Amino acid sequence: DTAVSQTPKYLVTQMGNDKSIKCEQNLGHDTMYWYKQDSKKFLKIMFSYNNKELIINETVPNRFSPKSPDKAHLNLHINSLELGDSAVYFCASSPGRRQGSTDTQYFGPGTRLTVL
Amino acid sequence: GQQVMQIPQYQHVQEGEDFTTYCNSSTTLSNIQWYKQRPGGHPVFLIQLVKSGEVKKQKRLTFQFGEAKKNSSLHITATQTTDVGTYFCAGASGGYQKVTFGTGTKLQVIP
Repeated sequence: DTAVSQTPKYLVTQMGNDKSIKCEQNLGHDTMYWYKQDSKKFLKIMFSYNNKELIINETVPNRFSPKSPDKAHLNLHINSLELGDSAVYFCASSPGRRQGSTDTQYFGPGTRLTVL
Repeated sequence: GQQVMQIPQYQHVQEGEDFTTYCNSSTTLSNIQWYKQRPGGHPVFLIQLVKSGEVKKQKRLTFQFGEAKKNSSLHITATQTTDVGTYFCAGASGGYQKVTFGTGTKLQVIP
C-alpha cells in the first residue's frame, strides 16, 4: 500500500491552462504539505495544512490554491499556468499532532509538471 | 527569512572513499533532519537531531549537530554505489511543523 500517493505522475500542459494535482495519505497523519522542487533540486515549501486548516502559506503566487477536503487529502490547483511553474511538485505528510514539534515527513512520489 | 545552505553542491567520489556534506543555517535551529533523494525519487527521511552537539550513527553514516545548533554534518564512510543521490538537511526554528530544506548535496559514486 502506498503511504502518500499523488496523481498524476506526469502533467504536460500549455501556458495559460488550469490544472490540479491530487494527494492522498493513508498514514492517519494530521499535517500535509506541498513542496516545489525546481530544476536545480531546491525544495521549497509552499503550503501546509493541519487537520484541514492552513498553517503555512509561503510567498506563492495566488494562482496556486490548495484545498483540503479532509485531513487525508490535500489537492493543489494552479490557474493560468506559466513556464516558470515547470517543476516537480511533492506532497508530504507528517503526524503533526504535537505543538512545537517537527515530525518526520513522508513524501509522495512527485508530480512532474511541464508547461509548454 | 531563514536560509539553510549546504556545501558542497556536488561531490564525485571513488567507491570506497569517504564523503561529507555540511549544512549551515542563518538562524539557531530547534532540530535538524536529514533526507536522501535517489535520482528520480522522492526525499526519504534518514534521521533527526535535537540536542546541541548530538552525534548519531546509522551503519556507515554519522550525523552531527553543532554546539550552537546552527550547523550540522553528514559523513559517509567507505561510500558504495547505493549511496548515490542528493542529501538534504532540513532545519526547524520555530513555526509549527515547518522545516526549511537546505540546498542539497548531490553525491555521485564512481565504481
